[in-house]
Amino acid sequence: TQLLEQSPQFLSIQEGENLTVYCNSSSVFSSLQWYRQEPGEGPVLLVTVVTGGEVKKLKRLTFQFGDARKDSSLHITAAQPGDTGLYLCAGRSGSARQLTFGSGTQLTVLP
Amino acid sequence: DAGVTQSPTHLIKTRGQQVTLRCSPKSGHDTVSWYQQALGQGPQFIFQYYEEEERQRGNFPDRFSGHQFPNYSSELNVNALLLGDSALYLCASSWGTGYEKLFFGSGTQLSVL
Repeated sequence: TQLLEQSPQFLSIQEGENLTVYCNSSSVFSSLQWYRQEPGEGPVLLVTVVTGGEVKKLKRLTFQFGDARKDSSLHITAAQPGDTGLYLCAGRSGSARQLTFGSGTQLTVLP
Repeated sequence: DAGVTQSPTHLIKTRGQQVTLRCSPKSGHDTVSWYQQALGQGPQFIFQYYEEEERQRGNFPDRFSGHQFPNYSSELNVNALLLGDSALYLCASSWGTGYEKLFFGSGTQLSVL
């Protein structure tokens, strides 16, 4: 069974602060995705990374895939209240059709 | 362009009952996946349907079954409901294979009393 562990589980910060959330596994993933989910809604895809060491930027969000493709991080610069939500990482192994999700990081950005 | 739509949005059942949840995929998508999300957890894969057949299944008992129709819409059926089946059930649609970009619906919140 492949597991993805996310840390921290909860994070509450002030507007303007920077933060990093982590997604770790003992398994190798062929691709890894990050989603954001708001209350009462389904997850929305933010980014997909597929190459070890890959870095992708989406405005104030920076995503990195570990060299060994077992871990990933999400860094947010100058967080805003609109960034509040549940951040989920999800990995896919080989030819598997399913995504394995982490348990998420609940981020709250206070104005 | 309508996204993924799920119905109903909320449902309350009692133990032992049966439930059917419905999903219409995003226009142009032919693959539907179902996930169960318990409170405070990430979604867990139930199964995926393509060309009206179950392509892959997660670690869920046979009480969970599904169907895909020729128009690509899908149903999730759960028999003999247990209290532990209370969760948000999410449908996700995609097209083709490879690095699939999943689009999720808003889910059906099922409460089993």
